Amino acid sequence: AQTVTQSQPEMSVQEAETVTLSCTYDTSESDYYLFWYKQPPSRQMILVIRQEAYKQQNATENRFSVNFQKAAKSFSLKISDSQLGDAAMYFCAYRSLETSGSRLTFGEGTQLTVNP
Amino acid sequence: GAGVSQSPSNKVTEKGKDVELRCDPISGHTALYWYRQSLGQGLEFLIYFQGNSAPDKSGLPSDRFSAERTGGSVSTLTIQRTQQEDSAVYLCASSLNRVDGNSPLHFGNGTRLTVT
Repeated sequence: AQTVTQSQPEMSVQEAETVTLSCTYDTSESDYYLFWYKQPPSRQMILVIRQEAYKQQNATENRFSVNFQKAAKSFSLKISDSQLGDAAMYFCAYRSLETSGSRLTFGEGTQLTVNP
Repeated sequence: GAGVSQSPSNKVTEKGKDVELRCDPISGHTALYWYRQSLGQGLEFLIYFQGNSAPDKSGLPSDRFSAERTGGSVSTLTIQRTQQEDSAVYLCASSLNRVDGNSPLHFGNGTRLTVT
């Protein structure tokens, strides 16, 4: 079974600064997807960015980018020019393409605080 | 509707009572997932539907938990004889295509269940 580990329960960053959230995963599969989701106090999970394992190029979405290291099974999220609205719980997730239903397996989450 | 809708938003029930949680997915989404999120924790997979069938029920924690989906649309998660450890946020998500890992899961705002 796949596992996802987020080793940073809490992180904080000053507004306009850059912060990196860590994520590692364990799998024996070669083809899969990785995601970062954001969960504000409203509880809704919002997709931030996704990465296909077969692509070597790191995904980028505006101020959000990832550092995907397939051999190391690492998938970190970098938030540049942090804004107050970025404050939320961030979850890293793994999606298998081989198991039934392609469910997402989530890490424990990192609570990000943005200080003005 | 535009997004995944869950009801009720909050539910308080007495220990031993049965509860039903409802999920209305995005129109046209064939895959539907239920997750449970305990306080400050990550998301725990419960069950996956493809159409009206549930090929993966492996996450249901006990036989007190059941779910159904009718008409390939609305799903109901039922918890019988609720226990205090069932208190959590129950999140529903839908996806356009289960085999395409790039098809993201869209989440509802969840139902916060409190068992007293």
